[in-house]
Amino acid sequence: AQKVTQAQTEISVVEKEDVTLDCVYETRDTTYYLFWYKQPPSGELVFLIRRNSFDEQNEISGRYSWNFQKSTSSFNFTITASQVVDSAVYFCALIKASSGSARQLTFGSGTQLTVLP
Amino acid sequence: NAGVMQNPRHLVRRRGQEARLRCSPMKGHSHVYWYRQLPEEGLKFMVYLQKENIIDESGMPKERFSAEFPKEGPSILRIQQVVRGDSAAYFCASSPRPYEQYFGPGTRLTVT
Repeated sequence: AQKVTQAQTEISVVEKEDVTLDCVYETRDTTYYLFWYKQPPSGELVFLIRRNSFDEQNEISGRYSWNFQKSTSSFNFTITASQVVDSAVYFCALIKASSGSARQLTFGSGTQLTVLP
Repeated sequence: NAGVMQNPRHLVRRRGQEARLRCSPMKGHSHVYWYRQLPEEGLKFMVYLQKENIIDESGMPKERFSAEFPKEGPSILRIQQVVRGDSAAYFCASSPRPYEQYFGPGTRLTVT
C-alpha cells in the first residue's frame, strides 16, 4: 500500500518570502508517479506537476520548483517570492505504475499555505 | 479544449433522498475517476471507470453508492438514501492516458 505524508498542516508566510512544502511518500513499487495539486479557496483542484520515479531531475517552472529525492522518498515543493494568490491548500499525491487496473491517486492530507500581504 | 465539467456545483439534499452527480470528461479522455473529500479528511479515491466499464471500485462504500460511465453521456455518481455523513466535496477527474488526471471543479453535497 502507498502512503503520502505532508507533515506541515499549516504554513503562514509574508509575501515575497520563499516557502517549501514537504512531501514524504512510501511505496513498495519501483515505478510510480508523484504529483502536486493546488486547491485555492474556490475549491477546484489544479494540477501543478507530475514526476515519474525514474526522473530525479529537479524542475523549475517560474516561481515554482520541485526537488525529488528518491533516497529520502521526498518530493518537496518550493515557491519562491510567494504571493497572496499562492494562498491555497497544496496536495502531494502518488500513483503506482502497474500493468494492472489500479490507477488511484493516493493523496497526502494537504498543507494550508497562507501568504500574508 | 474545455476542462472537466461537473454539475451541479452545489447540491442540497434531505436525508433519505437520492443525489446524482454528473461528470463530463475532457474531450478525448476515456478514463474517469471519482474522489471524495470529507470535511477534515483528505481526498480519497472512490472509483475508476472507462466507457461502460467499472475498472476499480475498491474505494466505493459497499451500500447506497454506485457509478456508471455510459457509452454516451456523462459519468454519474449516484448516492441513494443520503445521510449527513455523505456531505462532502465530490471530485471527478479524467485522463487521456494512465498516470495523468485532471480534476473538475467538484460538487459540494450538503445533506440536511
